[in-house]
Amino acid sequence: AQKVTQAQTEISVVEKEDVTLDCVYETRDTTYYLFWYKQPPSGELVFLIRRNSFDEQNEISGRYSWNFQKSTSSFNFTITASQVVDSAVYFCALVDFGDDKIIFGKGTRLHILP
Amino acid sequence: DAGVIQSPRHEVTEMGQEVTLRCKPISGHDYLFWYRQTMMRGLELLIYFNNNVPIDDSGMPEDRFSAKMPNASFSTLKIQPSEPRDSAVYFCASSGKSNQPQHFGDGTRLSIL
Repeated sequence: AQKVTQAQTEISVVEKEDVTLDCVYETRDTTYYLFWYKQPPSGELVFLIRRNSFDEQNEISGRYSWNFQKSTSSFNFTITASQVVDSAVYFCALVDFGDDKIIFGKGTRLHILP
Repeated sequence: DAGVIQSPRHEVTEMGQEVTLRCKPISGHDYLFWYRQTMMRGLELLIYFNNNVPIDDSGMPEDRFSAKMPNASFSTLKIQPSEPRDSAVYFCASSGKSNQPQHFGDGTRLSIL
């Protein structure tokens, strides 16, 4: 069965610190896709990234970076030099190839303190 | 490009009333999903459509909930009769193909008194 675990329920860091959000997933499929979404206090869900299981290259987008490691079934998300605007709930998600339904983790609530 | 459009943004009504939530997916997207988000249960998939056809409604909590997609550009989620425990944020999302990212609307915050 598929499962996404975000063990960190809530994290608080001071602005400009780096922070890593953990995501561990379970699936029996060899082909799958992983996602991260952001839900700011305004409530909308914003797509951040999709990664397929054959591409283990780390990705960097500005202050955001993602570390995908199949050996540990993890897809962690790091924010460098955090800013108050990064405060949000972040969801990690998984979908197996050929499936339509995304399995979401419970989310990590990130507080960036000024 | 217009994103997923949901209406209304907020709805407050008394229990027993019928509630209809509306969604316009992104043009050209084949898939449409309805989710419910609460503090207790997180984000739950209620039902999804592919090319206007309901594929999986196993997440619909009970017969009081129904959803339709009469055409590629419109879907409704109806609750009749509504109950206080239906209070939640309801999201609609669409995606182009299977496995592609889902793009979410701003949600409808529903309060049943």
